[in-house]
Amino acid sequence: AQRVTQPEKLLSVFKGAPVELKCNYSYSGSPELFWYVQYSRQRLQLLLRHISRESIKGFTADLNKGETSFHLKKPFAQEEDSAMYYCALNYGGATNKLIFGTGTLLAVQP
Amino acid sequence: KAGVTQTPRYLIKTRGQQVTLSCSPISGHRSVSWYQQTPGQGLQFLFEYFSETQRNKGNFPGRFSGRQFSNSRSEMNVSTLELGDSALYLCASSTNPGQGAQGYTFGSGTRLTVV
Repeated sequence: AQRVTQPEKLLSVFKGAPVELKCNYSYSGSPELFWYVQYSRQRLQLLLRHISRESIKGFTADLNKGETSFHLKKPFAQEEDSAMYYCALNYGGATNKLIFGTGTLLAVQP
Repeated sequence: KAGVTQTPRYLIKTRGQQVTLSCSPISGHRSVSWYQQTPGQGLQFLFEYFSETQRNKGNFPGRFSGRQFSNSRSEMNVSTLELGDSALYLCASSTNPGQGAQGYTFGSGTRLTVV
């Protein structure tokens, strides 16, 4: 069965420190993976798609099929990065059906 | 361009009642999905609609149902409410099925409290 695991509920780092939010998945098909972010009092919004291999707000994520991981990384954390981050897997194939991880709260300390 | 609009923002209902939530997708988006978000279970997929047809369904009891209209607006209904149905219900839209790779746009949600 498909599953998305985010092992850390909370990750606390200091401003300027590197950040790595972990995400592992289990899926027999070809995965489509995303990172979504929810800032305080804002709606859930798309941060990254693995298919586009883009960098948004300094964040990157590489799909590692061998390790079934899609970790989110940023070399230097900023206070405004503090938010809830969700990793998600689309397992609907040609349709939309996402399974989300339980989320990691990133707290960037000044 | 207006975002995904969900109404109402807050609802308080009594056990056994039913409730209808509404979602207006972004103009031009034809796929609408619904998710339930709770502290214990996180975000869980309810269903997806495209062209007035349910394309996908999550693992929720039959008390949860939905529909989509010709203008792509969608409603979800929960009958015989239980305390455990208290949650934030999120609607998300995308251009069409298979565009999951493009990512959803989420609404702000409807906070349902069952007492």
